[in-house]
Amino acid sequence: AQTVTQSQPEMSVQEAETVTLSCTYDTSESDYYLFWYKQPPSRQMILVIRQEAYKQQNATENRFSVNFQKAAKSFSLKISDSQLGDAAMYFCAYRPDSNYQLIWGAGTKLIIKP
Amino acid sequence: GAGVSQTPSNKVTEKGKYVELRCDPISGHTALYWYRQSLGQGPEFLIYFQGTGAADDSGLPNDRFFAVRPEGSVSTLKIQRTERGDSAVYLCASSWTSGDKETQYFGPGTRLLVL
Repeated sequence: AQTVTQSQPEMSVQEAETVTLSCTYDTSESDYYLFWYKQPPSRQMILVIRQEAYKQQNATENRFSVNFQKAAKSFSLKISDSQLGDAAMYFCAYRPDSNYQLIWGAGTKLIIKP
Repeated sequence: GAGVSQTPSNKVTEKGKYVELRCDPISGHTALYWYRQSLGQGPEFLIYFQGTGAADDSGLPNDRFFAVRPEGSVSTLKIQRTERGDSAVYLCASSWTSGDKETQYFGPGTRLLVL
C-alpha cells in the first residue's frame, strides 16, 4: 500500500530561523509527484512546493526548498527565514503518475515563536 | 472566480438528514476532486471527475455518498442518512489534467457537523 508518514506532529522555530519538516513515503511506483501543502486555520490547502520524482534537482520556491532522496523515499521541507505567517499545518502528499489521488500524511503543526 | 469556492462554509445537521455540499472549481479546470478531512488527520480521497463523468469514485465510503457534476463545472457532493461519523471537513480541488498543469488547487472546505 502507498503511504505517507510525517513523524513530527508539531515543530516550533524562532522567527527568522530555519526549520525542516520530515516526510517519508512508501511506494513501488517509479514515476510520481510529491507535494507540500500548507493549511492555515482558514482551512484552505495552499500549495507550497512540488517535486517530480524523475527530476534529480531539488525544487525551490523562494524561502522553501526540499531535500528529495528518492532511494530513501524521503521528502523533507526546509523553511528558511521563518516568518509569523508561516505558522500552519503542513501536509506532505504523494500522487502516483498512474492516477490522480493524492495520498496524504497526518500533518505537522508548525509554530513560529516571535 | 479566482479560486475554488465551496458552499456552505459550515453545515450543522441532525443524524439521518440529507445534505448537499457544493463546489465551484477554477474556471477552465476540467478535473475536480473531493476529499474528506477528519479532525487531526490528513485528507482522504473520495472521488475524481474528469469533465462530467466520475473517473474514479473508489474513495466513497458507502452508498450513502454520491457526487455529480452535470455540466462539467460545479459539483455537488450528496450525503444521505447522515451519521455522526460523517462529521468532517469536505475539501474540493480542481486542476488541469495534463502535463505540468495538474497540480490540485483547493477550496476552503465545508465543515460538516452531524449531531
